Amino acid sequence: AQKVTQAQTEISVVEKEDVTLDCVYETRDTTYYLFWYKQPPSGELVFLIRRNSFDEQNEISGRYSWNFQKSTSSFNFTITASQVVDSAVYFCALSVSNTGKLIFGQGTTLQVKP
Amino acid sequence: DTEVTQTPKHLVMGMTNKKSLKCEQHMGHRAMYWYKQKAKKPPELMFVYSYEKLSINESVPSRFSPECPNSSLLNLHLHALQPEDSALYLCASSQDAGNLIETQYFGPGTRLLVL
Repeated sequence: AQKVTQAQTEISVVEKEDVTLDCVYETRDTTYYLFWYKQPPSGELVFLIRRNSFDEQNEISGRYSWNFQKSTSSFNFTITASQVVDSAVYFCALSVSNTGKLIFGQGTTLQVKP
Repeated sequence: DTEVTQTPKHLVMGMTNKKSLKCEQHMGHRAMYWYKQKAKKPPELMFVYSYEKLSINESVPSRFSPECPNSSLLNLHLHALQPEDSALYLCASSQDAGNLIETQYFGPGTRLLVL
């Protein structure tokens, strides 16, 4: 079965704190892709990152970083020095076989307070 | 430019009305998607078009009728909807469908309220 679990429903931090959003996935496929999307209150899902199953290198983009560990089937997302504009719902997703389907986690609502 | 546009942004309709949602992309993508998203839930896939042909219908009720006039446009025709169909409707596109690697780019959505 294909599944993505984001156990943290809501997280609240104060501006400038670091925060990590967890994502655990399940798949029997050996080749797959993982994604993170951000959904601000306006509604649009904004693509943040795509990672394939063969590349376990961590990635950093500005204040964002991602830690992919196949051994624990996790693809966690860290925001360093959070800002109010980071407040949004964040979705982790798994690309399933060759169907074009994305399996989304339930999402984590991040609130960054000033 | 990764832009997908959707119109209208908001729509209120009665259960006997007929309305349409529109989606447009100019990225040369050949796959387009409709999703439905209820509050505090992840998006749920409804339809996938690949090269202007319907490739996936996730058992969506017939009161939702998709149409892909050309590779840049995607419509969702609505008829005889129910109040429980009220949701955010998201359109997305990708370079291709049926390929693991493809990133889907989403539009801002249409917030639909059915009275």
